[in-house]
Amino acid sequence: EPEVTQTPSHQVTQMGQEVILRCVPISNHLYFYWYRQILGQKVEFLVSFYNNEISEKSEIFDDQFSVERPDGSNFTLKIRSTKLEDSAMYFCASLRDRGQDTQYFGPGTRLTVL
Amino acid sequence: QQQVKQSPQSLIVQKGGISIINCAYENTAFDYFPWYQQFPGKGPALLIAIRPDVSEKKEGRFTISFNKSAKQFSLHIMDSQPGDSATYFCAPFTGNQFYFGTGTSLTVIP
Repeated sequence: EPEVTQTPSHQVTQMGQEVILRCVPISNHLYFYWYRQILGQKVEFLVSFYNNEISEKSEIFDDQFSVERPDGSNFTLKIRSTKLEDSAMYFCASLRDRGQDTQYFGPGTRLTVL
Repeated sequence: QQQVKQSPQSLIVQKGGISIINCAYENTAFDYFPWYQQFPGKGPALLIAIRPDVSEKKEGRFTISFNKSAKQFSLHIMDSQPGDSATYFCAPFTGNQFYFGTGTSLTVIP
């Protein structure tokens, strides 16, 4: 069964550093998402991406965040200057099309900001 | 902006019992109502979902009941098993994003 993959599984960084989280969505999917989940809390929407542009973003997704699909397979989330409160699990998800609503999640990247 | 309210926060059920988790929503634009199951250290995985044109959907031991007028839907797990112990999220969908509930931690005692 096709799956969404994410790397790295765990990233530790110093406050103020830039991090890039990588995702490889399912190959024939068109819609891509990033979510985050602070330990023990709910899954929070960050951003959705379609046709090489952001289609929707939440209040969390401020100027420190950016997304990119650089090569047609990878989908990346960049945090320019990490804060302690950015520590969370970050999940990538993909969706084939709006009429097929099963959103597949990757296993997540645990980001720890020290 | 709290669009989705999920209850209870945690639930303990004996093996073989029925687990019931509820989700109330405000946004009438939601047109797809899934439940996700999440095990520790894993990403959420779709368990079962319903569209608003039906009031109930059953898949094996899992049933969704949907009440459009009350803007509520619930997950019923029949004959609950220890392997069902996980966190469950409702996540209604607008067409552009999924709005996750706060989650319910289910523990099924052998």
